[in-house]
Amino acid sequence: RKEVEQDPGPFNVPEGATVAFNCTYSNSASQSFFWYRQDCRKEPKLLMSVYSSGNEDGRFTAQLNRASQYISLLIRDSKLSDSATYLCVVSVSGSARQLTFGSGTQLTVLP
Amino acid sequence: NAGVTQTPKFRILKIGQSMTLQCTQDMNHNYMYWYRQDPGMGLKLIYYSVGAGITDKGEVPNGYNVSRSTTEDFPLRLELAAPSQTSVYFCASTSPHLGPAGVEYEQYFGPGTRLTVT
Repeated sequence: RKEVEQDPGPFNVPEGATVAFNCTYSNSASQSFFWYRQDCRKEPKLLMSVYSSGNEDGRFTAQLNRASQYISLLIRDSKLSDSATYLCVVSVSGSARQLTFGSGTQLTVLP
Repeated sequence: NAGVTQTPKFRILKIGQSMTLQCTQDMNHNYMYWYRQDPGMGLKLIYYSVGAGITDKGEVPNGYNVSRSTTEDFPLRLELAAPSQTSVYFCASTSPHLGPAGVEYEQYFGPGTRLTVT
């Protein structure tokens, strides 16, 4: 079983749509959770951290369910510029702060 | 700040050749990492370092070596290139900062090196 599992997609949605991505992780010792965004042939960049109480950043909302070991990302009012691959990332507490990446979910927002 | 820089951007190697991928960061970060990303896959950790003079293996270290003589530089060495090492290599660095949930670590990535071994 993969440590971090995501639906690979692709998700093709029209502009203005709401889209949700899900992710599960297997290591119950995971302490920190993130969504990274990766544009085609570019490096990953942090989109947002995910907190236990859930958090929002503009059109983006992230949720964490520790009991189910489940993370989600909701994008409202999708823009063409949201087209990218979204990586679910977890970290087990430790001195090296290593990250474990999911394979990513590809999103294409259509005009 | 330039952030994390990597050279070269692209490289084609023949089987059995050696090369060093360079990584430099100017943010005075203690932690540095090397990842590889195969097509359609997530990033896999090759090696990491928690400070100058300290390195350790990640998930997929075979066929690679690293050194960390300074805080800024973290080169990755391929000694005998194999086709299985064809991939995109990303270097990253991080340091702690205070966030809403306490101390957080955001990894900053370089632009990557695309390596093909034929």
